[in-house]
Amino acid sequence: DTAVSQTPKYLVTQMGNDKSIKCEQNLGHDTMYWYKQDSKKFLKIMFSYNNKELIINETVPNRFSPKSPDKAHLNLHINSLELGDSAVYFCASSQIHGPYEQYFGPGTRLTVT
Amino acid sequence: AQTVTQSQPEMSVQEAETVTLSCTYDTSESNYYLFWYKQPPSRQMILVIRQEAYKQQNATENRFSVNFQKAAKSFSLKISDSQLGDTAMYFCAYLYSGAGSYQLTFGKGTKLSVIP
Repeated sequence: DTAVSQTPKYLVTQMGNDKSIKCEQNLGHDTMYWYKQDSKKFLKIMFSYNNKELIINETVPNRFSPKSPDKAHLNLHINSLELGDSAVYFCASSQIHGPYEQYFGPGTRLTVT
Repeated sequence: AQTVTQSQPEMSVQEAETVTLSCTYDTSESNYYLFWYKQPPSRQMILVIRQEAYKQQNATENRFSVNFQKAAKSFSLKISDSQLGDTAMYFCAYLYSGAGSYQLTFGKGTKLSVIP
């Protein structure tokens, strides 16, 4: 069984469109995250959610909005897509009170044309 | 702010040989966690090994071991008996669990190629 899953794995869209990436974890974890990996492979935290509350929000444009219907899901919605949003987006999950290792989904490669 | 530095952008090793990947970090905290993640061409991020800062003993996982030097803020990964499947990007990561923050701070990665 897949521990952390993301859909879609590939997403190609035009500038100005709105898109969503879904994430689900079946590990029973209480914290979920979104990371962005740029073209140089650098990974940076975007958001994390614990018990449906946003606990980290790095300097991410407000065009990006995480939505968590329950603690097993954390979706990423992106409005008015820009060329610079092209990247690989990873969902991850962990237990907030330890152990702290985070388990990652397979990633979604977003290409904005 | 915490930073993680991987000074070797690329490395190569012959199959069956041993290779060490370097990582240094900067923090003012005393309790934290360190990780190595592997990202093969498939793109999947795979946890290789973890180390708690309060533990003096170096972590090991089969062919993977770390050399954790807390005073020097150094956390290197040693891969023994390298295999072709070890070819991947390797990321060192730091996590501080205090103050409600659980984010991983990653280094820029080291691309490891295992040569047959």
